[in-house]
Amino acid sequence: EPEVTQTPSHQVTQMGQEVILRCVPISNHLYFYWYRQILGQKVEFLVSFYNNEISEKSEIFDDQFSVERPDGSNFTLKIRSTKLEDSAMYFCASIGGGITGELFFGEGSRLTVL
Amino acid sequence: AQKITQTQPGMFVQEKEAVTLDCTYDTSDPSYGLFWYKQPSSGEMIFLIYQGSYDQQNATEGRYSLNFQKARKSANLVISASQLGDSAMYFCAMRGGANSKLTFGKGITLSVRP
Repeated sequence: EPEVTQTPSHQVTQMGQEVILRCVPISNHLYFYWYRQILGQKVEFLVSFYNNEISEKSEIFDDQFSVERPDGSNFTLKIRSTKLEDSAMYFCASIGGGITGELFFGEGSRLTVL
Repeated sequence: AQKITQTQPGMFVQEKEAVTLDCTYDTSDPSYGLFWYKQPSSGEMIFLIYQGSYDQQNATEGRYSLNFQKARKSANLVISASQLGDSAMYFCAMRGGANSKLTFGKGITLSVRP
């Protein structure tokens, strides 16, 4: 069964450092998303991406965040200068299309900022 | 704007019994989809069931069924014959338009007792 893969599974970084989280969506999917979940809290939408551009972003997704699809398979989330409050699980998700389609989630990348 | 409300405190159920997890929603979109995801302690997001706003029948997927009451704007998840492996966090979510983001509720913790 096709799946969304994320790397790294866990990253520890120092405050102020840049972090890149990588995702490989399902190959024929067209819409990509990043979500964040602070430990024990709700899953929060960060950004959606379609046709090589951001289609929607939340207020969380400020200038410290950026997304990129550098090639035909990878979808990355970059945090330029990490803060303590960026510690969370980051989920990548993709969907083929249509309102009935489920979002396929990756297993998440846990980011710990010290 | 869409809103998902999950207000139940942690839920407990005896193994082999049924349990209902509550979810209410609010949206101005005429067409929308409702989803339930399971998040075990390992952290991944597992899709369980989908209900479309125009679906005439309640969705069912194995031991999962969705009690959809459109007039009340509720989409409760019913798990029949609970198993120990059902112990997890459960999130209700909705999408207002095709390929738009999922909006999540804060989740409900379910514990299945042997």
